[in-house]
Amino acid sequence: DQQVKQNSPSLSVQEGRISILNCDYTNSMFDYFLWYKKYPAEGPTFLISISSIKDKNEDGRFTVFLNKSAKHLSLHIVPSQPGDSAVYFCAAPEGGSNYKLTFGKGTLLTVNP
Amino acid sequence: KAGVTQTPRYLIKTRGQQVTLSCSPISGHRSVSWYQQTPGQGLQFLFEYFSETQRNKGNFPGRFSGRQFSNSRSEMNVSTLELGDSALYLCASRWTVIGPLHFGNGTRLTVT
Repeated sequence: DQQVKQNSPSLSVQEGRISILNCDYTNSMFDYFLWYKKYPAEGPTFLISISSIKDKNEDGRFTVFLNKSAKHLSLHIVPSQPGDSAVYFCAAPEGGSNYKLTFGKGTLLTVNP
Repeated sequence: KAGVTQTPRYLIKTRGQQVTLSCSPISGHRSVSWYQQTPGQGLQFLFEYFSETQRNKGNFPGRFSGRQFSNSRSEMNVSTLELGDSALYLCASRWTVIGPLHFGNGTRLTVT
């Protein structure tokens, strides 16, 4: 049973526009969420995180929104750049610790020049 | 500061053989985790080590094992390889029990 779901396998946007990547979760015990970005032939790179005590966290062009009642989070990238083209993973730790992350299956973002 | 280093980058093995993968964490990081990435299952947790002790293990058969040395370096071993073990194996480290994981670039294992 997938506890973290990314229902869109791919997303294509124009350079300069907003990219919105979505993630749903089923485990109401999750209280911390992370987004990772992955380029081909490289490991995932930590991007941004959010605690369940917040509903928004911002870092430069990246903002993560959390809607606990809907068990939904989203990553907004504004403005999108071609270098943002990568696979984005949403993840949540189990058991209140960060060591065992449950990942979504990822969304491939393509930003077209 | 150097990142997480995994060796080798690529490996081709035959069914039935065994393999050992190596991971050097970021200097000062005492926690090392291993993940398997496959197209069908995505990223799945294998196990985590902290101060040479395995803290948790994912839902993988006993053919998958690991260890951590006193210098925090870690190895992962897979015995009696099966075709389905073909995957990208990722190692990640972090300084303490909290904070984001920092991943290496992985070892691509192909079993023929």
